[in-house]
Amino acid sequence: SQQGEEDPQALSIQEGENATMNCSYKTSINNLQWYRQNSGRGLVHLILIRSNEREKHSGRLRVTLDTSKKSSSLLITASRAADTASYFCATDDTDKLIFGTGTRLQVFP
Amino acid sequence: SAVISQKPSRDICQRGTSLTIQCQVDSQVTMMFWYRQQPGQSLTLIATANQGSEATYESGFVIDKFPISRPNLTFSTLTVSNMSPEDSSIYLCSASRAGGWTDTQYFGPGTRLTVL
Repeated sequence: SQQGEEDPQALSIQEGENATMNCSYKTSINNLQWYRQNSGRGLVHLILIRSNEREKHSGRLRVTLDTSKKSSSLLITASRAADTASYFCATDDTDKLIFGTGTRLQVFP
Repeated sequence: SAVISQKPSRDICQRGTSLTIQCQVDSQVTMMFWYRQQPGQSLTLIATANQGSEATYESGFVIDKFPISRPNLTFSTLTVSNMSPEDSSIYLCSASRAGGWTDTQYFGPGTRLTVL
């Protein structure tokens, strides 16, 4: 399978702490995306980072990309209870997106 | 961005029956996709819905089981045919405006299907 793998599978933190999720993938990419999925809902696009970029910020989100290691990380700073969700990375593969296995983040108030 | 709605939001169906899921986008989009997400799992692409032509199916998914229509640039349907309990999943529709699969995809809220 070419599916990306994310770790940790699950993460529990307190409000105000930072959350870091990692994504590893197997093939060359044009870009990598991160999505959030609240329980029982559709996915929401968070950020897209292109293969020639190393770091990107959006609000409290910081994404890094290391194409030599085929890995990416998503950092959520100053987490809030509303950040509780599953987070997926997705990479492009010829003609489709390949979604990672996901990280379930629980933020306790 | 694009706003996507799906109908129904959930359904409970009997084995052997079929269910058609509708996906409506609020504006014209280039690409539309259908995914399956089994409980606690990641997303698996079923097919790309092509406007005016047959859908492109991924390995393991066939047209007889998952017929797809896309009559225009804002609407698509997925039918889950001859259902079995193994078809119990969330089915998600997504759309992309620009280059397709390598660009941002916008997702519908999903259809939660339970097959008894």
